[in-house]
Amino acid sequence: DQQVKQNSPSLSVQEGRISILNCDYTNSMFDYFLWYKKYPAEGPTFLISISSIKDKNEDGRFTVFLNKSAKHLSLHIVPSQPGDSAVYFCAASEHPGANNLFFGTGTRLTVIP
Amino acid sequence: DAGVIQSPRHEVTEMGQEVTLRCKPISGHDYLFWYRQTMMRGLELLIYFNNNVPIDDSGMPEDRFSAKMPNASFSTLKIQPSEPRDSAVYFCASSPGGGRAQHFGDGTRLSIL
Repeated sequence: DQQVKQNSPSLSVQEGRISILNCDYTNSMFDYFLWYKKYPAEGPTFLISISSIKDKNEDGRFTVFLNKSAKHLSLHIVPSQPGDSAVYFCAASEHPGANNLFFGTGTRLTVIP
Repeated sequence: DAGVIQSPRHEVTEMGQEVTLRCKPISGHDYLFWYRQTMMRGLELLIYFNNNVPIDDSGMPEDRFSAKMPNASFSTLKIQPSEPRDSAVYFCASSPGGGRAQHFGDGTRLSIL
C-alpha cells in the first residue's frame, strides 16, 4: 500500500508562473520529508527537505510547505523555468535519522517556454 | 567527485536467465540502498546495507532476488531466474550516514523478454 501518494501524474505550467506539486501521506509516524528531482536517464537528485517541527522551508526558488494535520505537503517553484521540467518525487521517513525512505510515484512537470 | 556508478545501464535478457546488477557507492558513504522504479509503485526500497551489512531486506520481492556487498566499494543485486514482471529501472543510492539525503546512480533499465 502506498504510504506516500502523488495523485497528479503530470503538470504543465507556463514559464515564469508558479508550479505547485502536491504530496499526501498516510503514516502519522512520518516526521521528515524530502523532494527529489529526476531528469530522463538519470537518477533522482535531492532538492529540498523539511522536518515536521517546521511548516515551511525555502531554498531559492523552491519552497516546501508541510501541513501535518492534513498529512499534506507541497513544493512551490517560483518562477518556473524550462530547466525545471523533470519528474518530482516526494519522499518521507519516520525521523531524520531513519534510513528507510518511502517514495511517491512522481509528478512529471513540464514548463512551457 | 565521482557519483554512484551503476552498471550496466541497460540490460535485455530472456526470461529464466540470471541477471546481475552492479553498484559502486560514493567513497566514504557507509549506507547503500537498492531501489526499483515502476510506473505503478514509483520508487520502492528493496534492501539497504550499513557498513556492508544488510540491515533491512523486507522490500526484496521474493527469493529470486538477492543482494550482496562484499566490500565498501561494491554491491550486486542478482535476480535468478528472471521473469518479465522484473522489468523496471533499478537504482542504487548511497548516503554518508543514516537519514542524510541519498545520492542516486543513473540506474539500470532492465527488460526481461
